[in-house]
Amino acid sequence: DAKTTQPPSMDCAEGRAANLPCNHSTISGNEYVYWYRQIHSQGPQYIIHGLKNNETNEMASLIITEDRKSSTLILPHATLRDTAVYYCIVRVAVEYGNKLVFGAGTILRVKS
Amino acid sequence: SAVISQKPSRDICQRGTSLTIQCQVDSQVTMMFWYRQQPGQSLTLIATANQGSEATYESGFVIDKFPISRPNLTFSTLTVSNMSPEDSSIYLCSVAQTYGYTFGSGTRLTVV
Repeated sequence: DAKTTQPPSMDCAEGRAANLPCNHSTISGNEYVYWYRQIHSQGPQYIIHGLKNNETNEMASLIITEDRKSSTLILPHATLRDTAVYYCIVRVAVEYGNKLVFGAGTILRVKS
Repeated sequence: SAVISQKPSRDICQRGTSLTIQCQVDSQVTMMFWYRQQPGQSLTLIATANQGSEATYESGFVIDKFPISRPNLTFSTLTVSNMSPEDSSIYLCSVAQTYGYTFGSGTRLTVV
């Protein structure tokens, strides 16, 4: 069962910041939050991940609330090429290692 | 990051037949994963394949329907057996690495 809840779709103007929310209220203390995106007909592409602290890389920033029940992915300056499905994912520990549990995803449409 | 090659990239198959999908990685990895993505849906984990051990299947997926081989640290196959139109999906392999997970571009399967 999915451990994350995301809005089904969002629109963003080109050049503006895109803020994609995710709820993961049942997340456990050692479970990481990952974000991936999928452009049509391609495999998911890694964006960023975090556990407790906010994270930033060349693609995006990840803001995790103090209680870890929700997070926000921020694309600082969205471009048309950022139009994709964005998945908020929880990495769950299992007896043989870890596995990713995908949410339903948010379709982000960046418009000029 | 690892480079994953999946074959075939797409196929159209007759119901009742089987298709074997290959996943080749350019580096040695311990854990490989197989996912199914039904039309318009998110990714669902089918099974985890560790080299030298039997694959671990998720709830709702069975070995008779989706047998998996993992002969070495760079290669795995997933067979979709006795196919029906409901098996029409994209099947993706993924590998776990130090910083995250890398996905192949997928095999688009249509069963007629």
